[in-house]
Amino acid sequence: ELKVEQNPLFLSMQEGKNYTIYCNYSTTSDRLYWYRQDPGKSLESLFVLLSNGAVKQEGRLMASLDTKARLSTLHITAAVHDLSATYFCAVDMTSGSRLTFGEGTQLTVNP
Amino acid sequence: NAGVTQTPKFQVLKTGQSMTLQCAQDMNHEYMSWYRQDPGMGLRLIHYSVGAGITDQGEVPNGYNVSRSTTEDFPLRLLSAAPSQTSVYFCASIQTGGAGYTFGSGTRLTVV
Repeated sequence: ELKVEQNPLFLSMQEGKNYTIYCNYSTTSDRLYWYRQDPGKSLESLFVLLSNGAVKQEGRLMASLDTKARLSTLHITAAVHDLSATYFCAVDMTSGSRLTFGEGTQLTVNP
Repeated sequence: NAGVTQTPKFQVLKTGQSMTLQCAQDMNHEYMSWYRQDPGMGLRLIHYSVGAGITDQGEVPNGYNVSRSTTEDFPLRLLSAAPSQTSVYFCASIQTGGAGYTFGSGTRLTVV
């Protein structure tokens, strides 16, 4: 059974600081996704990582994937308040039919 | 706009009542899936389908039924609602070999 674990689950940080969210998963995976969710909203796709060593960046967020270590990271650079949200990683073992999600990391960026 | 449409957005049920959560997509995606989201537990897979006429159970299928008679529609049925089914439900779809899931806006269900 595939397990996906994120840490930390709660993260409070100051504007301008850097931090990393970690996503570990238990078995070999085809691909890994990062999503953002604002309160009361649906999931917004951030990144899709398809191969070992993949690195993608969008604005202040950068995601990477190490399939050998079964680890993905979401790095936040110079955080701003607008990044406050819950971030989920999700793993797809079956080339597209379904996802297994981590518990989510609730990020709060304080002025 | 193309995408995944879920209805209703909000619903309150009494224990024991039945209802169907609707999910429709107009992107001709083969794969569709249902998830429930509870506080502190992320999203958990209820049922999924890899094509019309083909469905399978996910992590938390008890109390829910699905069918897939067309590519476009994947309804989720609660046969006898229980308070433990109070949750936010999301439907998602993806094309075969595609790299991105499309999620619906969600249905917030309360069972009293």
